[in-house]
Amino acid sequence: KAGVTQTPRYLIKTRGQQVTLSCSPISGHRSVSWYQQTPGQGLQFLFEYFSETQRNKGNFPGRFSGRQFSNSRSEMNVSTLELGDSALYLCASSLGGTGDYGYTFGSGTRLTVV
Amino acid sequence: GESVGLHLPTLSVQEGDNSIINCAYSNSASDYFIWYKQESGKGPQFIIDIRSNMDKRQGQRVTVLLNKTVKHLSLQIAATQPGDSAVYFCAETSSGSARQLTFGSGTQLTVLP
Repeated sequence: KAGVTQTPRYLIKTRGQQVTLSCSPISGHRSVSWYQQTPGQGLQFLFEYFSETQRNKGNFPGRFSGRQFSNSRSEMNVSTLELGDSALYLCASSLGGTGDYGYTFGSGTRLTVV
Repeated sequence: GESVGLHLPTLSVQEGDNSIINCAYSNSASDYFIWYKQESGKGPQFIIDIRSNMDKRQGQRVTVLLNKTVKHLSLQIAATQPGDSAVYFCAETSSGSARQLTFGSGTQLTVLP
């Protein structure tokens, strides 16, 4: 079956701009989580969506937001980009049920802010 | 805050030898642990997991050991192969963390020919 698909794979944006990243989960998975990966901070949790509702949020500023659609696809948006937002953004999907931690990660979107 | 960390940032092993990657965690409420492998240009790939009611779990060529007394997790890879070269992360979560994974800093495993 198809895995987790993230688009685009690479993005270059200018400081102050905004960006939208997309994640299509595995068919049947209702939970999508987003993580930021940087050399300095490692992998950090951004937020998780389940059935179109944000279920949990990490410690990131309000410039980072997301949403989930009825087909479970998710988007995350970063507004007013800063140089420090340059990172690999990963999404992970899972069934999302109680006690289910079967996360599958996508290959990520590499965002470079110049 | 509490976090999951790794003891060694890099590990080099000879092809065919066994590898051991270690991880220390500090959240005593953690009840589920996962090891991931990340190759260059790819997202983390699930290797093996273990719940806190177990102390050992085996997969194909991999074994995870959990020592809750000292809050230590290890990943053992048998007969390490060149394809095992990657960064390995441990991650933890708990029923109280609302499905949020906390990752360690990662260990770069290099398999020497």
